[in-house]
Amino acid sequence: QVQLKESGPGLVQPSRTLSLTCTVSGFSLTSYGVSWVRQPPGKGLEWIAAIWSGGSTDYNSALKSRLSISRDTSKSQVLLKMNSLQTEDTAMYFCARLRGGPYVMDAWGQGASVTVSS
Amino acid sequence: DIQMTQSPASLSASLGETVTIECLASEDIYSNLAWYQQKPGKSPQLLIYYANSLNDGVPSRFSGSGSGTQYSLKINSLQSEDVSIYFCQQNYDSPPTFGGGTKLELK
Repeated sequence: QVQLKESGPGLVQPSRTLSLTCTVSGFSLTSYGVSWVRQPPGKGLEWIAAIWSGGSTDYNSALKSRLSISRDTSKSQVLLKMNSLQTEDTAMYFCARLRGGPYVMDAWGQGASVTVSS
Repeated sequence: DIQMTQSPASLSASLGETVTIECLASEDIYSNLAWYQQKPGKSPQLLIYYANSLNDGVPSRFSGSGSGTQYSLKINSLQSEDVSIYFCQQNYDSPPTFGGGTKLELK
């Protein structure tokens, strides 16, 4: 079955770089795109970035200068890097499969909690 | 960016009741509207895409409608497992944007 699982450091110091990995199973990254979405504690959802099945990428313009999304199809992994982290980047970070229309996310991982603190 | 405004922000209803959640886009999104359900402590789950298409496995008591800038999610015969936060999302243009969410509780 379709599964996505996020992994990351949990705690990151301010101004450092966050690296998150989304490991997928049950589908191929060359057939489906993957997005990252985050949710600060008690707040709403914010789309971060996407990598499409053909390898092209898209970023939230508000965060673009700090972001990099890539993939390793041999490992079924999508990687997200965000630099210059601040306390407002504290959030749950989700990866999700794209299907059913552009930017429609039909399967989600459980999320990776990221706290930015010294 | 396209702004998505959801109403109400919170809603209390009784079991068996019908509830409706509204979503207003700041411009025409041509039915490129999805609804997600997020249960406490869980990740969001897709309910509806393209305004009125039910995702696989979603109960038929959920339905979506709307066009242009105005959309709605209706839940018929409310069940206890429907207690969640519901988000709308436009997927017409990048960046895809979400409504602020509607918290549905049981009365």
